Amino acid sequence: DTGVSQDPRHKITKRGQNVTFRCDPISEHNRLYWYRQTLGQGPEFLTYFQNEAQLEKSRLLSDRFSAERPKGSFSTLEIQRTEQGDSAMYLCASSSPWGGLETQYFGPGTRLLVL
Amino acid sequence: DQQVKQNSPSLSVQEGRISILNCDYTNSMFDYFLWYKKYPAEGPTFLISISSIKDKNEDGRFTVFLNKSAKHLSLHIVPSQPGDSAVYFCAARDNQGGKLIFGQGTELSVKP
Repeated sequence: DTGVSQDPRHKITKRGQNVTFRCDPISEHNRLYWYRQTLGQGPEFLTYFQNEAQLEKSRLLSDRFSAERPKGSFSTLEIQRTEQGDSAMYLCASSSPWGGLETQYFGPGTRLLVL
Repeated sequence: DQQVKQNSPSLSVQEGRISILNCDYTNSMFDYFLWYKKYPAEGPTFLISISSIKDKNEDGRFTVFLNKSAKHLSLHIVPSQPGDSAVYFCAARDNQGGKLIFGQGTELSVKP
C-alpha cells in the first residue's frame, strides 16, 4: 500500500504527558500537511511542510505543539503537556503540486484521548 | 469566521435517486475546491475536485458544480447507492499557501 500512513492509530494519555505522532507521506510527495478534527467539525489546518521547510503554522498551533520533517520524508507532531482540549483526531495529508491541480491525500488519522 | 459552510448537517436519500450536497464559501481567492468522503474512524478520501476557472466537473456518478457569482458549489451523486452513506466534506484551497479550509460536513444516508 503506497498511501499515507500514520502511527499510532490510537493514543490514550493522561493530562500533562507528552505525545508524539508520526506520518509517512506518499512516496515523492513533497508537501505534507497536519490537520486536527474534533467531533462534528471538519478538519482544521495546523501546519504544512514543503520538503523539510515548515512554511505555515496556524494560530491553532500553540507553543505546546511542534512539528518536524527533518529529511523531507516522514513528519512528527509532538504535543507537550497535553490538555483535555487536545483530544481530537490528528490527520496527516500529502500532495505533490506538480503536474496540475494539487490534491491532498489523507492518512487514517491518529485519535488522541487525553484523560 | 467560517469561510466554508455546509448548512445541512444531514441528508437522507432513497437508493437510486439523486443526492445533492451543498457548500457555500465567502473567500473569492479560493482557487480550487474539493469534495472528500469520510467513514467513521478513517481519514477523508478524495472524491472529486474543480478548479475555480471551471463550472462543472464530472467523474462517473459524481458531478461537482461551481457557481462563482453565488460562491456556491454542489456535489451530485447519481444514482445514489447505500455504500455512499458517509460524511461528505467540501474543502476550498487557499491560493496563498495550499492549505484546505473545510466545511462542517454533511452526513449522507442512502436507504435501500
